[in-house]
Amino acid sequence: GDSVTQMEGPVTLSEEAFLTINCTYTATGYPSLFWYVQYPGEGLQLLLKATKADDKGSNKGFEATYRKETTSFHLEKGSVQVSDSAVYFCALSHSGGYQKVTFGTGTKLQVIP
Amino acid sequence: GAVVSQHPSWVICKSGTSVKIECRSLDFQATTMFWYRQFPKQSLMLMATSNEGSKATYEQGVEKDKFLINHASLTLSTLTVTSAHPEDSSFYICSAAYGGELFFGEGSRLTVL
Repeated sequence: GDSVTQMEGPVTLSEEAFLTINCTYTATGYPSLFWYVQYPGEGLQLLLKATKADDKGSNKGFEATYRKETTSFHLEKGSVQVSDSAVYFCALSHSGGYQKVTFGTGTKLQVIP
Repeated sequence: GAVVSQHPSWVICKSGTSVKIECRSLDFQATTMFWYRQFPKQSLMLMATSNEGSKATYEQGVEKDKFLINHASLTLSTLTVTSAHPEDSSFYICSAAYGGELFFGEGSRLTVL
């Protein structure tokens, strides 16, 4: 079956540091890939997505590229801020993202001033 | 944007009692809602798909008599954990689809003593 593996956290970075959170997946066919973010006390929110190979999703300075050859969808940001502190979930779906979604375990990011 | 709210955000109960968790779509109608469960350091696992006006569809391995789901209106789905035991302690999250995207509630943490 489908699965998503992402790096364990927590990840602690200083403000303005470069962020990478690794995500790899196992799935049949060509799923859509997503990053969700959960800020403290809030529900998960869609951060970005990519629906086909070599697509790059981007939002709020975050980027991730759908790499079919390495089955990866790593999340990057060039300069993190304290407000980026949250839990980040990598996920995949075969139905465009509004039906059954398979999530990774989540990676907690803490950005310190 | 679309907002999904859960209540309560946390609940503690005694073993053997039943607990109800509500999931509401505040500014849109949701014919379908999803219930997830998350154990510490593990992925969100889809438990069931809740369909307004019909029976929920449960994922393999989820006891439907244990986790009762009712989707009586287009804005409310409830999850009742019946005869709760300590192993039912977990973080329960609901989501609803709107405009081709999933929106999540804040989650409900259940602790069974």
